[in-house]
Amino acid sequence: AQTVTQSQPEMSVQEAETVTLSCTYDTSESNYYLFWYKQPPSRQMILVIRQEAYKQQNATENRFSVNFQKAAKSFSLKISDSQLGDTAMYFCARQRIQGAQKLVFGQGTRLTINP
Amino acid sequence: EAGVAQSPRYKIIEKRQSVAFWCNPISGHATLYWYQQILGQGPKLLIQFQNNGVVDDSQLPKDRFSAERLKGVDSTLKIQPAKLEDSAVYLCASSLAAPTVPTFGSGTRLTVV
Repeated sequence: AQTVTQSQPEMSVQEAETVTLSCTYDTSESNYYLFWYKQPPSRQMILVIRQEAYKQQNATENRFSVNFQKAAKSFSLKISDSQLGDTAMYFCARQRIQGAQKLVFGQGTRLTINP
Repeated sequence: EAGVAQSPRYKIIEKRQSVAFWCNPISGHATLYWYQQILGQGPKLLIQFQNNGVVDDSQLPKDRFSAERLKGVDSTLKIQPAKLEDSAVYLCASSLAAPTVPTFGSGTRLTVV
């Protein structure tokens, strides 16, 4: 089975600090998409950032950036200047481009930003 | 644009009862997904539709779960009969013809007692 692994069940940092969430994945394909989703208590999965595997440049969205290491199959999320509103579950996910394009999710990391 | 609408938001039923969830995707989105998210885990795909055809239902427990997407728009997911282990959040998502970024609804939290 092609899996996505998040090895940090929980993380906690102080407001304004930088935090990095880890994700590794398994795939036999050369092209695919990788995502980080945020899930607050409202339960809705909110897209944080997306990376296309054929692009070498790491994606960035304001305070959020990724470190994509294709050979190592690693995809970490860095949150800079963390805010209280960043408190949520964070899920890493992989999506095939060909065939059935379902998202395969990791187990999640519970991130708490403390005041 | 309006988001993905799901109802009900919460549902509590007894084991062996039946339950149905409804999803209205974003207008124009051809692809619709149903995911099951058990507490403490990441979402797992149950079924994927492309318009009104099934693309992937390999992880759908077909002895008790069924889903349909009539006219390629709204979708209904049904469980009959429910088991205790079906307690979970059921998330619906939609996207333009895949692979594009899916947008998720707020889910239905099902508790089976």
